[in-house]
Amino acid sequence: DVKVTQSSRYLVKRTGEKVFLECVQDMDHENMFWYRQDPGLGLRLIYFSYDVKMKEKGDIPEGYSVSREKKERFSLILESASTNQTSMYLCASSFLRGPAFFGQGTRLTVV
Amino acid sequence: GESVGLHLPTLSVQEGDNSIINCAYSNSASDYFIWYKQESGKGPQFIIDIRSNMDKRQGQRVTVLLNKTVKHLSLQIAATQPGDSAVYFCAEKIFSGGSNYKLTFGKGTLLTVNP
Repeated sequence: DVKVTQSSRYLVKRTGEKVFLECVQDMDHENMFWYRQDPGLGLRLIYFSYDVKMKEKGDIPEGYSVSREKKERFSLILESASTNQTSMYLCASSFLRGPAFFGQGTRLTVV
Repeated sequence: GESVGLHLPTLSVQEGDNSIINCAYSNSASDYFIWYKQESGKGPQFIIDIRSNMDKRQGQRVTVLLNKTVKHLSLQIAATQPGDSAVYFCAEKIFSGGSNYKLTFGKGTLLTVNP
């Protein structure tokens, strides 16, 4: 079975903190994604990566950056957390042709 | 925290009935479609997919129908069970050349199964 693992289920951070969300997949997928999910807004793409050290901006990249140093790991970084970044964050991975598989999500609260 | 199911279209069915969840897509260049199930507090789970050169695909208790003429996708769940209660999303993949593609999700439908 495909396994996409996010490092935390729940996080509480203070405004202004630098936050790292980690995601690891075990299926040798080329593509990895970070989404945020908010009620009424659905899933919105923050960043994605087609390969190691490659990254592309999604629909809402402002306030975020990413890192993909190894194929299996894709990190999302909140440079200076703000309360409007309180959300559910979802990591996914896929082959070029095929469905994306999601992690269990990280519910981040910024206070 | 707030459930992802708030503000969504809802479908309520009786246990044992068949369910049909619909999705409209807008881009005629979309060539691959996926259905996901998301239970409260969990990440989306892959259910079934279909390529644009097909109009029907069946899985275990689920069938996906694709009508490219009207850009419509549906998920049929046979003999719906309480464990099927969740939010269901459709997603479309649009390739723009080489490795470049975009995966876009619908807003979802909340399915509630009454025992």
